[in-house]
Amino acid sequence: GQQLNQSPQSMFIQEGEDVSMNCTSSSIFNTWLWYKQDPGEGPVLLIALYKAGELTSNGRLTAQFGITRKDSFLNISASIPSDVGIYFCAGHPSYAGNMLTFGGGTRLMVKP
Amino acid sequence: EAGVAQSPRYKIIEKRQSVAFWCNPISGHATLYWYQQILGQGPKLLIQFQNNGVVDDSQLPKDRFSAERLKGVDSTLKIQPAKLEDSAVYLCASSLDWGLAGAWGEQFFGPGTRLTVL
Repeated sequence: GQQLNQSPQSMFIQEGEDVSMNCTSSSIFNTWLWYKQDPGEGPVLLIALYKAGELTSNGRLTAQFGITRKDSFLNISASIPSDVGIYFCAGHPSYAGNMLTFGGGTRLMVKP
Repeated sequence: EAGVAQSPRYKIIEKRQSVAFWCNPISGHATLYWYQQILGQGPKLLIQFQNNGVVDDSQLPKDRFSAERLKGVDSTLKIQPAKLEDSAVYLCASSLDWGLAGAWGEQFFGPGTRLTVL
């Protein structure tokens, strides 16, 4: 089963609002990554985090690697309609360094 | 630069039949991955190749699933015989040499093959 607990499962927001989603685990992770998946496509990497406490931005997206190495969050500022999709957190757990493990996803819907 | 190519994009079969999926990774990528993504879930790693060798197949149901990457480039994933619970999207991904870039090199995903088992 999934090793990563991602929340919320879905969000329906107004265009222009900020969005926050997070991912937690009972295990320590060596990396945290955030992907976006559009219908009929594979996931696309948005942000990669490699060090505890690291805060990284990519345009309107900001993500942080939790200091305990067991959690991460992704923020999207000033959402636009093309932000619609499913966002996945993923990471390499310390107990299986090569295996990229995914959360269950957050489905984001944006109302124009 | 061409992305990861997968075919077919869709496949519908009956249970107990066999099916095969094909993947061509990004040119120069030594590491290739197959994932299974069940509807409403995140992808789950099935098998990881480094060139033509298997790095990890711990989550591959070996009684019915097999995969090969004979020449270290394209790969085939086979299911024989298929079960209803195998209905999912099968994603292929590739990354630069795992040994050089580390286990954390960025993975690029193909569009997937959507399998429906009736």
